[in-house]
Amino acid sequence: DGGITQSPKYLFRKEGQNVTLSCEQNLNHDAMYWYRQDPGQGLRLIYYSQIVNDFQKGDIAEGYSVSREKKESFPLTVTSAQKNPTAFYLCASSIDSGDEQFFGPGTRLTVL
Amino acid sequence: QQQVKQSPQSLIVQKGGISIINCAYENTAFDYFPWYQQFPGKGPALLIAIRPDVSEKKEGRFTISFNKSAKQFSLHIMDSQPGDSATYFCAAATDSWGKFQFGAGTQVVVTP
Repeated sequence: DGGITQSPKYLFRKEGQNVTLSCEQNLNHDAMYWYRQDPGQGLRLIYYSQIVNDFQKGDIAEGYSVSREKKESFPLTVTSAQKNPTAFYLCASSIDSGDEQFFGPGTRLTVL
Repeated sequence: QQQVKQSPQSLIVQKGGISIINCAYENTAFDYFPWYQQFPGKGPALLIAIRPDVSEKKEGRFTISFNKSAKQFSLHIMDSQPGDSATYFCAAATDSWGKFQFGAGTQVVVTP
């Protein structure tokens, strides 16, 4: 059963803590993406990776970090430097950059 | 700056009516224009997409109209059903660029 999985579905974090969101895909896609979604603002690109061991900053990368050590995995770390991290985080992948993006179910992060 | 402007922000339509959502873009390098549908708490899913070599694409009750000279494209939902109630996002991308630019989204409510 191919697709994109994100875990956990809900995540709570105390201020000052780093937290890592998981994203795994078994679609054999080269490109992977992380988006942040806030009410009324659509999807904003945090980081993207077109190939293993390579990634680029998106429009709102400050306070976030990523790694792409394996083709199927693209974890996102929300660091304590991110001032307003409470949001819905979406991971996506595509066969290649510019192709249809398939989205995971999302992780809702709440900072307490 | 928002490279893809989407309107309206929300709309209410009666069952059986037509829902129309509009998007405008600036970058003439865009060559792929998808529409995504998102239900609450879920990740977006591709609904329909168009490339600029055609002016219209229809899939079931969903139609994209594309006006290259005006740099605008729109989604028409014919015979709207309560199950169509969702948030719809337009996007634009280029094969070489790899990043999608999303509109802010339109919340559609179809009343019985």
